[in-house]
Amino acid sequence: NAGVTQTPKFRILKIGQSMTLQCTQDMNHNYMYWYRQDPGMGLKLIYYSVGAGITDKGEVPNGYNVSRSTTEDFPLRLELAAPSQTSVYFCASSSNTLGNEQYFGPGTRLTVT
Amino acid sequence: DAKTTQPPSMDCAEGRAANLPCNHSTISGNEYVYWYRQIHSQGPQYIIHGLKNNETNEMASLIITEDRKSSTLILPHATLRDTAVYYCIVRVKAAGNKLTFGGGTRVLVKP
Repeated sequence: NAGVTQTPKFRILKIGQSMTLQCTQDMNHNYMYWYRQDPGMGLKLIYYSVGAGITDKGEVPNGYNVSRSTTEDFPLRLELAAPSQTSVYFCASSSNTLGNEQYFGPGTRLTVT
Repeated sequence: DAKTTQPPSMDCAEGRAANLPCNHSTISGNEYVYWYRQIHSQGPQYIIHGLKNNETNEMASLIITEDRKSSTLILPHATLRDTAVYYCIVRVKAAGNKLTFGGGTRVLVKP
């Protein structure tokens, strides 16, 4: 299993541009999450999904959108990028049997200038 | 969720045991103690969890006090690759939980 994969690894955006961060898991996990981590800080939950077709807001959802059309994929969309969205973005997944054991991807480092 | 308190940093000698404390004095009866770590520039990695009994896996051991108000993560033979930030999280055991990663303990394993 590849686990949780994220693309791209790095990206530089100009203010006002849009992009989609991709996240895919091959473990058939029904739960998926998007977190962001600002320099020197802990992780903050942006959005999460409990299954295909179901998404919900986390702690810091403003400026982001998500969709979950399949079990495997959970893309995060940034519209009108702002410097405050400069961060490292982590995708994670888990399942009913795993509970709070979440598997994380390697992250996407985004800079907005 | 119960609040946790961890020391901000600690050093450990390579090959020696690293004992990482965590206080969670307001833990509820149905809350578990989870440990994650985050190696620099990588995503967090699940290590171990427990309710009240001591737990051991291939990565670490978890010792929870009888009153469950504190716990200790033990890395039995620390290696340089164990240098990371270690997070202690207390949560009810359920899928779909939003984990809160606080300050954690920055562990530096020295040769």
